[in-house]
Amino acid sequence: DAKTTQPTSMDCAEGRAANLPCNHSTISGNEYVYWYRQIHSQGPQYIIHGLKNNETNEMASLIITEDRKSSTLILPHATLRDTAVYYCIVKKNYGGSQGNLIFGKGTKLSVKP
Amino acid sequence: DTEVTQTPKHLVMGMTNKKSLKCEQHMGHRAMYWYKQKAKKPPELMFVYSYEKLSINESVPSRFSPECPNSSLLNLHLHALQPEDSALYLCASSQGPPGPYEQYFGPGTRLTVT
Repeated sequence: DAKTTQPTSMDCAEGRAANLPCNHSTISGNEYVYWYRQIHSQGPQYIIHGLKNNETNEMASLIITEDRKSSTLILPHATLRDTAVYYCIVKKNYGGSQGNLIFGKGTKLSVKP
Repeated sequence: DTEVTQTPKHLVMGMTNKKSLKCEQHMGHRAMYWYKQKAKKPPELMFVYSYEKLSINESVPSRFSPECPNSSLLNLHLHALQPEDSALYLCASSQGPPGPYEQYFGPGTRLTVT
């Protein structure tokens, strides 16, 4: 069963912030939220991950709600090159099968001029 | 260098052929992975190698045979495949075993079985 729920698709205007939601209402205390994206015909690319605090790196920001049941990935100034499928993944941060990446269907983000 | 390379980029093979996919990384990573991605579907994990030992096999048919000759190389040997095995095969690596380390993916090998 999928641990996360994401919208199938979203549009965003170039230069605007893209806010991608993810619902993970059954997340357990030791599970992290990871985001990857896959640009067409390429391999997935790691974006960011977090446990409960908000995180920011050079690519994006991750906002996790206080109850940890949902999160939002923010691309502050979307460009056409950000058009991709974005995967929100919940997983534990230790070895074995529970540390595996299990990809759901993701959100297809289309950035438009 | 944060690159994972995969060869070949494209492969067409018949059902009686034997072929191999190759993956290489020079980041000093100690875990390597094979994923399979069918068209318009998310990637699915096939195998995990951790410190050059097979640690996870996600019930993959024996016509797929992984091999990790050293910490930088990962092969996937293919034999007697079926047309439904046509897919994008992705290799990835991470600093350590599945866990707190992000995975770096290669561009994939697009396989067509005729």
